[in-house]
Amino acid sequence: GEDVEQSLFLSVREGDSSVINCTYTDSSSTYLYWYKQEPGAGLQLLTYIFSNMDMKQDQRLTVLLNKKDKHLSLRIADTQTGDSAIYFCAEALKNSGNTPLVFGKGTRLSVIA
Amino acid sequence: DAGVIQSPRHEVTEMGQEVTLRCKPISGHDYLFWYRQTMMRGLELLIYFNNNVPIDDSGMPEDRFSAKMPNASFSTLKIQPSEPRDSAVYFCASSFLVSGNTIYFGEGSWLTVV
Repeated sequence: GEDVEQSLFLSVREGDSSVINCTYTDSSSTYLYWYKQEPGAGLQLLTYIFSNMDMKQDQRLTVLLNKKDKHLSLRIADTQTGDSAIYFCAEALKNSGNTPLVFGKGTRLSVIA
Repeated sequence: DAGVIQSPRHEVTEMGQEVTLRCKPISGHDYLFWYRQTMMRGLELLIYFNNNVPIDDSGMPEDRFSAKMPNASFSTLKIQPSEPRDSAVYFCASSFLVSGNTIYFGEGSWLTVV
């Protein structure tokens, strides 16, 4: 089946690292994505990782992929108040053609100053 | 590019009224999606189109909901009659075939039915 699971809430102190976790069920997924939704706005692509990679780093963001456990994580170093948002994990299913992405319910990150 | 453009951004309507939400996808994108976001259900895919043709509308909650895409640059999502439980944020999104499944979202239409 197709299901992406995320914890709903995460609260961290400014300056600490945030780790947002996601599990997915389809081992044939080709790409896995992290989208960010700021208050009152639409979703924006934050980063993505191809399924043949274990890690991807982009400035303060580190994406880790554990294909064996079907686990994806997003680490935000030196978390700032501007990082407060909802973070969605999404997977692209290999056998569904180009679309659609399957989204998790989103993790609401609150950063405490 | 201006991105995916949705209108209206906010709408408050009375129960029983017809609501029409509009979307202009990014030029050249082959796919268009309508999503609904609520606190309880998260982000739900309602329907999506490929080259203006509806591919999967299994997410459309009821017959009160309908969506059309008369041409490559315009789509509508209509609710008739509207009910309070339809209150949500409705997102339109589009993607291009070879973009690696990257979907671009509009800013959303915030609907309140009273």
